[in-house]
Amino acid sequence: NAGVTQTPKFRILKIGQSMTLQCTQDMNHNYMYWYRQDPGMGLKLIYYSVGAGITDKGEVPNGYNVSRSTTEDFPLRLELAAPSQTSVYFCASSSAAGQGGMNEQYFGPGTRLTVT
Amino acid sequence: DAKTTQPTSMDCAEGRAANLPCNHSTISGNEYVYWYRQIHSQGPQYIIHGLKNNETNEMASLIITEDRKSSTLILPHATLRDTAVYYCIVRAHYNQGGKLIFGQGTELSVKP
Repeated sequence: NAGVTQTPKFRILKIGQSMTLQCTQDMNHNYMYWYRQDPGMGLKLIYYSVGAGITDKGEVPNGYNVSRSTTEDFPLRLELAAPSQTSVYFCASSSAAGQGGMNEQYFGPGTRLTVT
Repeated sequence: DAKTTQPTSMDCAEGRAANLPCNHSTISGNEYVYWYRQIHSQGPQYIIHGLKNNETNEMASLIITEDRKSSTLILPHATLRDTAVYYCIVRAHYNQGGKLIFGQGTELSVKP
């Protein structure tokens, strides 16, 4: 299994541009997540999905949109990019939380985005 | 989900046990303690989790106090590759969507 893959690895955007960060997992996981991590900080949840067709907001959803048309893919859309969206973006997936509270999230390698 | 408090940074000598503390004094009975680590800006990696009992796996041991208000992650024989930021996270098992709330974690430096 490739696990969780993210593209692109790096991107520089100009203010006001838009882009889509791609995330794909091949583990047949129902749950998928998008996080952002600013320098020296912990991860903050942007959006998550508990299955195809179902998405919900996390802690910091403003300025982002998501869709989940298949189990495998969970793209993150940035509209009208702003310097405050300069960050590292991580996608993660997990199977449905099982017995014993098990909820291991598998993370992708991240996308480093700079908005100037 | 309860908040957690961790030291900002710690050092450990290579080959020694690394003991990483975490306070979660407002934890409730149905909340689990999870530990993840993040090596050099890679995606975080799951280490271990527990509810009440101590837990051990191939990576680490988790010791939870009897009152569950604090816990300690133990890396028994730390290596240079264990240098990372370690996150202690408390989460209710019924938390919709399995969301994890990351704090700032403890930056562990393993030194030769």
